[in-house]
Amino acid sequence: DSGVTQTPKHLITATGQRVTLRCSPRSGDLSVYWYQQSLDQGLQFLIQYYNGEERAKGNILERFSAQQFPDLHSELNLSSLELGDSALYFCASNTEGIYGYTFGSGTRLTVV
Amino acid sequence: GNSVTQMEGPVTLSEEAFLTINCTYTATGYPSLFWYVQYPGEGLQLLLKATKADDKGSNKGFEATYRKETTSFHLEKGSVQVSDSAVYFCALSGSGSGSEKLVFGKGTKLTVNP
Repeated sequence: DSGVTQTPKHLITATGQRVTLRCSPRSGDLSVYWYQQSLDQGLQFLIQYYNGEERAKGNILERFSAQQFPDLHSELNLSSLELGDSALYFCASNTEGIYGYTFGSGTRLTVV
Repeated sequence: GNSVTQMEGPVTLSEEAFLTINCTYTATGYPSLFWYVQYPGEGLQLLLKATKADDKGSNKGFEATYRKETTSFHLEKGSVQVSDSAVYFCALSGSGSGSEKLVFGKGTKLTVNP
């Protein structure tokens, strides 16, 4: 157990639908990062939150959004899903200044 | 922007062979460098890291040295085992507060045969 918890582990949904992925960071970590892993694009950074505020944005589609709550857990919302959104979605957390990023086990999203 | 280039895979070795996976980077300042490993069906696990030039990260028999002059962080292991079969990712985080995002290479799949 890495200390970063992601739910659900697997998700199958239809095109056009909306899903929410959840991440609880390791205790004490203030930053949460979301990544998408697909066969053709590799590991792509989506977005980072630090203590409730958006800090950095990467290749995140407009159909996707995220937030971090006061208890520091984060949710990634994916809407108007397309077949190409099928991927593994990872979140990671870290403690500023201690260069270690811990990853969750991921959510495998399949859009049919 | 920052980027990481890894050697193309897949790499297939026999047990007890020597492993090298090349990794070079482009970054401003003094990034931190990482190797992550992903076993089949699992998430990413930190294998080793180095935060400044000439640092050597090591773990489970794997080593990598932060070479600023050649902007490289090659992963090595003297004698691989079947259990080392996985995908290996080189990554960097930009210099700064320590909470910059990780930038990953494309990954190198390693298969070790008995």
